[in-house]
Amino acid sequence: EDQVTQSPEALRLQEGESSSLNCSYTVSGLRGLFWYRQDPGKGPEFLFTLYSAGEEKEKERLKATLTKKESFLHITAPKPEDSATYLCAVRGGTYKYIFGTGTRLKVLA
Amino acid sequence: EAEVAQSPRYKITEKSQAVAFWCDPISGHATLYWYRQILGQGPELLVQFQDESVVDDSQLPKDRFSAERLKGVDSTLKIQPAELGDSAMYLCASSFPLAGVSNEQFFGPGTRLTVL
Repeated sequence: EDQVTQSPEALRLQEGESSSLNCSYTVSGLRGLFWYRQDPGKGPEFLFTLYSAGEEKEKERLKATLTKKESFLHITAPKPEDSATYLCAVRGGTYKYIFGTGTRLKVLA
Repeated sequence: EAEVAQSPRYKITEKSQAVAFWCDPISGHATLYWYRQILGQGPELLVQFQDESVVDDSQLPKDRFSAERLKGVDSTLKIQPAELGDSAMYLCASSFPLAGVSNEQFFGPGTRLTVL
């Protein structure tokens, strides 16, 4: 059965304190790993898609990487406006998107 | 910038009543998804449409939930009767499928349902 586990559940950082969020997955035939950002009371906002181990993508202070078992979302010098829940999702052989429970990030000024 | 539209944004109802949610996907997106998101959890797929056809409704509680996309464009999700456990955010998403490629989904703002 396809599974996604995100850690930590919650993370508090000081502004400028870099860190990483983890997404561990079990899936048969990975057809994409997706990162989304979700602000309270809103729908998820697409950030990145990764398809194969070794792939990396960057956007502003965010960088996503992928191995055969996990993905990391690295946040460099975060700002308070980066505070949100970050969701990871995978799509495998069933073509269904499976979401993790998310990491709630709080960046303090 | 094209967006997925959903209405209403908020709905409060009493248990045993009927509720309906509407979604208008991004123009040209053939694939439409309805998700349920309980507070503190990730979205859970309820139903997926390809044009007007249902391709996955394995997690849809069919005794009380129904979904349709009659003309392959906008979609309606209905709950009848609503139960206390249905309180959640209902999210609609759409994507433009390309053969052999997993395209990202674009989400609407969601409908927050509260069942009293």
